[in-house]
Amino acid sequence: DIQMTQSPSSLSASVGDRVTITCRASRSIATYLNWYQQKPGRAPQLLIYSASTLQSGVPSRFSGSGSETDYTLTISTLQPDDFATYYCQQSYSSPRTFGQGTMVEIK
Amino acid sequence: EVQLVESGGGLVQPGGSLRLSCAASRFTFSSYEMNWVRQAPGKGLEWVAYISSSGFTIAYADSVKGRFTISRDNGENSLSLQMNSLRAEDTAIYYCARGEYTSAGRGYFDLWGRGTLVTVSS
Repeated sequence: DIQMTQSPSSLSASVGDRVTITCRASRSIATYLNWYQQKPGRAPQLLIYSASTLQSGVPSRFSGSGSETDYTLTISTLQPDDFATYYCQQSYSSPRTFGQGTMVEIK
Repeated sequence: EVQLVESGGGLVQPGGSLRLSCAASRFTFSSYEMNWVRQAPGKGLEWVAYISSSGFTIAYADSVKGRFTISRDNGENSLSLQMNSLRAEDTAIYYCARGEYTSAGRGYFDLWGRGTLVTVSS
């Protein structure tokens, strides 16, 4: 199985900050990488697929990049609605493993 | 509204069984692959099972293989997960999630239900 490791596990940031979350795969996943946002008590929602393609309706302050084993989710200007937990997921092979999550908290 | 709605969760004793359902509405259910994903209390997401649009191809996480069975009824726009020999570690919120693909074959889960809670405890 491909292991997905996110860093950091949690971070504290202020509204207006630039936030970067990293996801590393245990082997190359060739941009078969998705990002999801989950708010407390809610289902996950797709943010980005294929490493860098923004899902319809997702604000442009979210962006994704990366290749091979290393990927990044960036929030350019953190908004109050963005405080949540973020998960990466690889779809290169089965099982489609998730990272352990990164909780973005209010500083 | 395009949506998925899970049902069937509840409290069950270790070794018991439970059947979860997921009702799809406002999209062509038979055209999509479907998945079950679970989340233990305070933990991350774990993919559980997959079924192709026709139902002919199925896959399971090692943690549930031999105990859980995924199925679908395209005529009824529904997805099911039969869970047998339940263990305490199966306690989680269970989500159904629709699978979509890019033209290059890159998959992602673009629609999720709100989840149903399964608690395995004596």
